[in-house]
Amino acid sequence: SAVISQKPSRDICQRGTSLTIQCQVDSQVTMMFWYRQQPGQSLTLIATANQGSEATYESGFVIDKFPISRPNLTFSTLTVSNMSPEDSSIYLCSVALAGTDTQYFGPGTRLTVL
Amino acid sequence: GENVEQHPSTLSVQEGDSAVIKCTYSDSASNYFPWYKQELGKGPQLIIDIRSNVGEKKDQRIAVTLNKTAKHFSLHITETQPEDSAVYFCAATRYNDYKLSFGAGTTVTVRA
Repeated sequence: SAVISQKPSRDICQRGTSLTIQCQVDSQVTMMFWYRQQPGQSLTLIATANQGSEATYESGFVIDKFPISRPNLTFSTLTVSNMSPEDSSIYLCSVALAGTDTQYFGPGTRLTVL
Repeated sequence: GENVEQHPSTLSVQEGDSAVIKCTYSDSASNYFPWYKQELGKGPQLIIDIRSNVGEKKDQRIAVTLNKTAKHFSLHITETQPEDSAVYFCAATRYNDYKLSFGAGTTVTVRA
């Protein structure tokens, strides 16, 4: 398995501002992903974070709203831009280890937008 | 794309009884089916997974069964304990696709 940490663990932000969430994993991984979990809901894939290139976004998610970076094999950031109350969610980082398709999730970042 | 349906949405069981959660999927090409447990305030934790080349997998009190023909898979928890109380999610994807499609989740409550 992999040990995944996320920062911050939670935050309360004002509308119109941006928040950058960090994801760090303790081993080199093949794939890194970002998910959103709206209150009381299931998980929805936002994008695949690609090392050294632009992330691959799922339908309904755009780079201007959710810019993602992945400078190396163990670290990625997700920014939630120009936030509105509808962005209040848990944002989760997940990883897949090299040679496997098993995904492990981080503890999540709980975001509240006022 | 893949569509995963999960039932029931809530499940209350007496401690010591069994719990069963069922999921169906739409994409016949899906061949990897993980189950996650999410406790309050935590991220999802992988508890068991199954690939389409097997019909059943067991790990202590937890088992998963897969029926490829019917396109459904189930999670079985035996001898439930209070610490089994959580939200359980099923998911499906194609091998090497990595894009997990999740069910809506089942809130399991184990009554002491």
